Amino acid sequence: AQSVTQPDIHITVSEGASLELRCNYSYGATPYLFWYVQSPGQGLQLLLKYFSGDTLVQGIKGFEAEFKRSQSSFNLRKPSVHWSDAAEYFCAVGQTQGGSEKLVFGKGTKLTVNP
Amino acid sequence: GAVVSQHPSWVICKSGTSVKIECRSLDFQATTMFWYRQFPKQSLMLMATSNEGSKATYEQGVEKDKFLINHASLTLSTLTVTSAHPEDSSFYICSAPAAVEQYFGPGTRLTVT
Repeated sequence: AQSVTQPDIHITVSEGASLELRCNYSYGATPYLFWYVQSPGQGLQLLLKYFSGDTLVQGIKGFEAEFKRSQSSFNLRKPSVHWSDAAEYFCAVGQTQGGSEKLVFGKGTKLTVNP
Repeated sequence: GAVVSQHPSWVICKSGTSVKIECRSLDFQATTMFWYRQFPKQSLMLMATSNEGSKATYEQGVEKDKFLINHASLTLSTLTVTSAHPEDSSFYICSAPAAVEQYFGPGTRLTVT
């Protein structure tokens, strides 16, 4: 069965600093990978996704992620963090189920941004 | 992009009563919808897959008689928590796929007193 590991439960960075959130997955086939962001009490917003092709994918809000098959990783990065980026970030792997994606989520990483 | 709504956004009910949560795809049709449960400061756990016109598929460990799912139309799925207990208090989120992307509802906060 597929699984997703986000090793960092909580990360604190200063505004303007760079950010990298780690994600490792376990999946037998080529994975569909996603990063979502969740603000307190809110639903999830898709930041970016990887299905195939270029292993460096660009997302919204200045985020990017790189798929590394050899390391089973899909780390999320942002060169300069803004205070509004403070939120919970979830990495997820998708499994096609009847043509639809069934997602397995990591436990999430809470990002705190200091002024 | 596609929009998924949930109603209500927040509900309080007494122990032993039932509560229904609606999930709607507003501008697209969804033959499949997913229901997730999220405990405080934890990840989303898939509860069940809602299938339009057929029975829902439940994940292991989820009581199908307690969490009733009905997918009556291509734009509406409902989750009914029957005989609710305080341990059912949680944040329930639905999602619907459009093409190869999942669109999530804003979630429903259920508190059982």
